[in-house]
Amino acid sequence: ETGVTQSPTHLIKTRGQQVTLRCSSQSGHNTVSWYQQALGQGPQFIFQYYREEENGRGNFPPRFSGLQFPNYSSELNVNALELDDSALYLCASSLWGQQASGLDTQYFGPGTRLTVL
Amino acid sequence: LAKTTQPISMDSYEGQEVNITCSHNNIATNDYITWYQQFPSQGPRFIIQGYKTKVTNEVASLFIPADRKSSTLSLPRVSLSDTAVYYCLVGSGGATNKLIFGTGTLLAVQP
Repeated sequence: ETGVTQSPTHLIKTRGQQVTLRCSSQSGHNTVSWYQQALGQGPQFIFQYYREEENGRGNFPPRFSGLQFPNYSSELNVNALELDDSALYLCASSLWGQQASGLDTQYFGPGTRLTVL
Repeated sequence: LAKTTQPISMDSYEGQEVNITCSHNNIATNDYITWYQQFPSQGPRFIIQGYKTKVTNEVASLFIPADRKSSTLSLPRVSLSDTAVYYCLVGSGGATNKLIFGTGTLLAVQP
């Protein structure tokens, strides 16, 4: 069973540029969530995709957008990069409805470290 | 989702049992308590989830008192490799299975 993978591992961009981060879900999972983790903080929820549709969004501006593909892989796009966008971006996949609690176990990838100069 | 409060950091020694307590005074009836572990430069990893009383798996135990306003994650006989940040989360998923993380507890295990 292949776990969640993310690419690239590291990325350096300058202010105003655009970036695309990629995520491959764990086999059999149909839901992908993206999180932003600043240094010393816990991950912050950006948005979630279920069956290729956005299924919830955190407090992030529209320049953060995403896609989920038929094979359940996903992309996170960030336009007009700002210095504060420097962070570790985590992708997590899950199987909808897996847990009776409604809070399905999410399996995280290793993240993409984005640095904006 | 209910807000959680947990210690910023804890120290322990190899072989000891470690208990990390999380306070969640505003927990809702449908909320579950979930703990994740995060090593440096890695994504968080699910440890355990529970609703009430006690839950145990091969990694940890979770103790939840009757009023559910707090919970304790217990790690038996920790080793150096248990050094990590531990997050307590409270919620019930709902329409979006989003996880709300706090700042977590940094557990440092010494030899």
